[in-house]
Amino acid sequence: QKEVEQDPGPLSVPEGAIVSLNCTYSNSAFQYFMWYRQYSRKGPELLMYTYSSGNKEDGRFTAQVDKSSKYISLFIRDSQPSDSATYLCAITNAGKSTFGDGTTLTVKP
Amino acid sequence: GAGVSQSPSNKVTEKGKDVELRCDPISGHTALYWYRQSLGQGLEFLIYFQGNSAPDKSGLPSDRFSAERTGGSVSTLTIQRTQQEDSAVYLCASSLGGSREQYFGPGTRLTVT
Repeated sequence: QKEVEQDPGPLSVPEGAIVSLNCTYSNSAFQYFMWYRQYSRKGPELLMYTYSSGNKEDGRFTAQVDKSSKYISLFIRDSQPSDSATYLCAITNAGKSTFGDGTTLTVKP
Repeated sequence: GAGVSQSPSNKVTEKGKDVELRCDPISGHTALYWYRQSLGQGLEFLIYFQGNSAPDKSGLPSDRFSAERTGGSVSTLTIQRTQQEDSAVYLCASSLGGSREQYFGPGTRLTVT
């Protein structure tokens, strides 16, 4: 079993939809929780970063962490075609990050 | 300021040849990471440098892979006697500290023929 499991997708939604992207993890020692966005043929770029349970909001994006369930989510409100990308969760312990395999999202105009 | 840069952007090599991939991290970042991403796959951790500490090499897939970081800045990933299964995008990232958000370079796309 992988340390970080991510819903595989792909996901296709109409413009304006609410998107939910999810990961589970097995190691309770994980301390930091990140979401990266990766456009085709580019390196990942950090979207959200949190270290505590609860919600963190940044514009149309909300990161949710539930440490008791070892479950993290990224919600995208009012999705736009420009949000079409692969989204990677990453969880860090002792300086080392473990990434999910990514969920590819397509937002159709 | 400048982000993480990697060179070359693309590399095609014949099976059995050695290759060197370069990473220039963001100035002042103490941590540097190498990952491998195969087509349609997530990021596979290879190696992690943090300051002057011994690197964490636990992700290197074989002894054909090695990396060094000179002067706490530029890093080179070397793959000896390349195999076709080494074909992938090799990504470098740097961060201010070991548990901070990572900033990625654009990657080097390696193709072994």
